[in-house]
Amino acid sequence: DADVTQTPRNRITKTGKRIMLECSQTKGHDRMYWYRQDPGLGLRLIYYSFDVKDINKGEISDGYSVSRQAQAKFSLSLESAIPNQTALYFCATSEKAVGPEQFFGPGTRLTVL
Amino acid sequence: KNQVEQSPQSLIILEGKNCTLQCNYTVSPFSNLRWYKQDTGRGPVSLTIMTFSENTKSNGRYTATLDADTKQSSLHITASQLSDSASYICVVSAFNSGYALNFGKGTSLLVTP
Repeated sequence: DADVTQTPRNRITKTGKRIMLECSQTKGHDRMYWYRQDPGLGLRLIYYSFDVKDINKGEISDGYSVSRQAQAKFSLSLESAIPNQTALYFCATSEKAVGPEQFFGPGTRLTVL
Repeated sequence: KNQVEQSPQSLIILEGKNCTLQCNYTVSPFSNLRWYKQDTGRGPVSLTIMTFSENTKSNGRYTATLDADTKQSSLHITASQLSDSASYICVVSAFNSGYALNFGKGTSLLVTP
């Protein structure tokens, strides 16, 4: 079984809808991250969490919110989706270290019409 | 501002040939540099990690080099295979930010028969 899983893998929605992307991990890592990837822009950090009680904004958090329900679960919500949030979204986990290796999930392709 | 620049943006080579991808960075103080491979529709996977004192690191047909003085790294792929077709992302971390990774935009490699 995959160490980092994301659901759904693909989602098409309409402008204004609320969307939740879910991430689960079995690696036992404390740190979890949400990224979006757009063609030509690379990966950009949306939110990160060092543990259940510690959630922090990344460089592009506007329009997004997160919830860390447990050590193993980290959800990303789009309260009111807009077309420019169409992107590939990745969840990642890591150990507590300087410059740690991040282990990525398979991604969720989100399309907002 | 910490930056990571990769070149070329894209590359097409014949199966069996060698190629070299470049990464220049301005991240400081430098902690480590990783090369990730991202297959289409999948999450990135770490290939190599290099710290300040390391000049070269190999992982099968992949060899990464690091020149910390000039802040340059390269990833050399030997005897390319069709399965090497992917995006290769250079990721640099700094000592003063335990979580934050600085991502390059990636080099898209296509290996043709």
